[in-house]
Amino acid sequence: GEDVEQSLFLSVREGDSSVINCTYTDSSSTYLYWYKQEPGAGLQLLTYIFSNMDMKQDQRLTVLLNKKDKHLSLRIADTQTGDSAIYFCAERWGGYQKVTFGTGTKLQVIP
Amino acid sequence: GAVVSQHPSRVICKSGTSVKIECRSLDFQATTMFWYRQFPKQSLMLMATSNEGSKATYEQGVEKDKFLINHASLTLSTLTVTSAHPEDSSFYICSARLDLNEKLFFGSGTQLSVL
Repeated sequence: GEDVEQSLFLSVREGDSSVINCTYTDSSSTYLYWYKQEPGAGLQLLTYIFSNMDMKQDQRLTVLLNKKDKHLSLRIADTQTGDSAIYFCAERWGGYQKVTFGTGTKLQVIP
Repeated sequence: GAVVSQHPSRVICKSGTSVKIECRSLDFQATTMFWYRQFPKQSLMLMATSNEGSKATYEQGVEKDKFLINHASLTLSTLTVTSAHPEDSSFYICSARLDLNEKLFFGSGTQLSVL
């Protein structure tokens, strides 16, 4: 739970798929989250996955979890300009007591 | 990477008492800190933006007198929940931003339960 790493920046063309990656360290993680932050706004919960799941799909969003490698990814299909934002992954661990956030990936969508 | 320490991680208090939550940036100076509140399975709601040496900016609907924020130094911001009631029970989390940098570093959160 001490360290959650994300790539800093991702640039994609409109209509392409985006994949944002995240690695975490705590094997006792219970939930893993993806948040979106638009400029000047708070964090919006996009989706979450329980640690005993491998995949979760929600419309254009697909979350993949590789628990063995402690790797989480968020795939956004048909990326739109409105998807431009900073995306944070987070893990809940320590018996629900702690949350660790990654430092965010800035997604830039080029029209 | 930069570390933000939040304390306590969990607190249980009686209705009517006040609770103070601390947020410290351990290895960097944070001119701006943010306080969020999260209800179960909901998004983090921004409560206020705390700027060192000045009054906090509260989001609409957040009671200033209820949630007192003090950012007395570049490494410490505190949130005091005054006269807590059961409806104040929630998960509170702070974040700090490096000056001239968009990256946010988060504390590990405080679960407040008011009996």
